[in-house]
Amino acid sequence: QQQVKQSPQSLIVQKGGISIINCAYENTAFDYFPWYQQFPGKGPALLIAIRPDVSEKKEGRFTISFNKSAKQFSLHIMDSQPGDSATYFCAASRGGNNRKLIWGLGTSLAVNP
Amino acid sequence: DTGVSQNPRHKITKRGQNVTFRCDPISEHNRLYWYRQTLGQGPEFLTYFQNEAQLEKSRLLSDRFSAERPKGSFSTLEIQRTEQGDSAMYLCASSSPTGMGYNEQFFGPGTRLTVL
Repeated sequence: QQQVKQSPQSLIVQKGGISIINCAYENTAFDYFPWYQQFPGKGPALLIAIRPDVSEKKEGRFTISFNKSAKQFSLHIMDSQPGDSATYFCAASRGGNNRKLIWGLGTSLAVNP
Repeated sequence: DTGVSQNPRHKITKRGQNVTFRCDPISEHNRLYWYRQTLGQGPEFLTYFQNEAQLEKSRLLSDRFSAERPKGSFSTLEIQRTEQGDSAMYLCASSSPTGMGYNEQFFGPGTRLTVL
């Protein structure tokens, strides 16, 4: 059973538009929610992360919105650029010594010029 | 470059052969993770080290897989008697707890394994 559900599977956005990717989780023990960007043949790169004690975090063009009661969080990419074309993964980890990440299945984003 | 490094980047082997991958974490990061990623999927946790101690292994890590982290520095992941189902990208990540108590995992470029 997928513990972190991500949608959509793929997304096409025009340059300058807003890209929105959503994730939902079930385990209320999760307390850390990062987003990673991955280009083909490369390892995932940490973009931005949030903890459940805040509802929004913004870093440059990237914003995470977090809804603890709905157990959902989303990534917004403002002013999307062709260079943002990549696969985006949401993830979650729970408290404790081992902070292993539980991942969504990924969203393939294509930004058209 | 002070990021996580992995070697080799690519490995092609025949079924039944043994392979070993190496991960060099970010200096002074005491936590090290191995993940496996197949095409079109998110990474899946394999194992976790804190310093030299291997503290958790996923059920995905069959008896053919072994990982070590001698002296709490670099780590190796060995797969014995490789099978075609082992073909995947093997990712290593390292982290050190921040002041907030959560940690940020930084990934290496991965080792792409192809078993023929």
